[in-house]
Amino acid sequence: RKEVEQDPGPFNVPEGATVAFNCTYSNSASQSFFWYRQDCRKEPKLLMSVYSSGNEDGRFTAQLNRASQYISLLIRDSKLSDSATYLCVVISNAGNMLTFGGGTRLMVKP
Amino acid sequence: EPEVTQTPSHQVTQMGQEVILRCVPISNHLYFYWYRQILGQKVEFLVSFYNNEISEKSEIFDDQFSVERPDGSNFTLKIRSTKLEDSAMYFCASSRGGGLRETQYFGPGTRLLVL
Repeated sequence: RKEVEQDPGPFNVPEGATVAFNCTYSNSASQSFFWYRQDCRKEPKLLMSVYSSGNEDGRFTAQLNRASQYISLLIRDSKLSDSATYLCVVISNAGNMLTFGGGTRLMVKP
Repeated sequence: EPEVTQTPSHQVTQMGQEVILRCVPISNHLYFYWYRQILGQKVEFLVSFYNNEISEKSEIFDDQFSVERPDGSNFTLKIRSTKLEDSAMYFCASSRGGGLRETQYFGPGTRLLVL
């Protein structure tokens, strides 16, 4: 079983739509959770950390369900500029090695 | 805003040759990392480095790989004898601390092609 699993997509949505991505992780001892964004042939950039209580940053909401080992990202009012690959990232051990999922590709169309 | 920088942006080499990939982490950061991404695949951790020592490494980071901080600013990844399967994008990252919530900032990457 992959450590961090994501639906690769692509998700094709119109501008203004709400879209949700899910991610599951296999290691129940995982400590920290993040969503990164990666544009084509570019470096990953942190979008947001994910906290147990859930957290929101503008149009983006992240949720963590430790019991189900499941992380979600909700994007409201999608913009063309949201088109990218969204990477679910977990720190599984006592160190700070990031474990990446394969990413979910989002394409927002006019 | 401070950034991680990497050179070169692209490197083409022959199989068996040595390559050195260079990174300048953000200046007040103390933890440094190398990741790689083979085309079409996920980003994979290679190694982390703190206080002039390797703190963690993955199975990928075998004896062909080494890291060094030769001076106060550069952080390098050396591949001693490149293989075709080393072709990938190599990302350097740095973080201010080593805590679980510390953000790792990635450089733009070096695209390595081994022929």
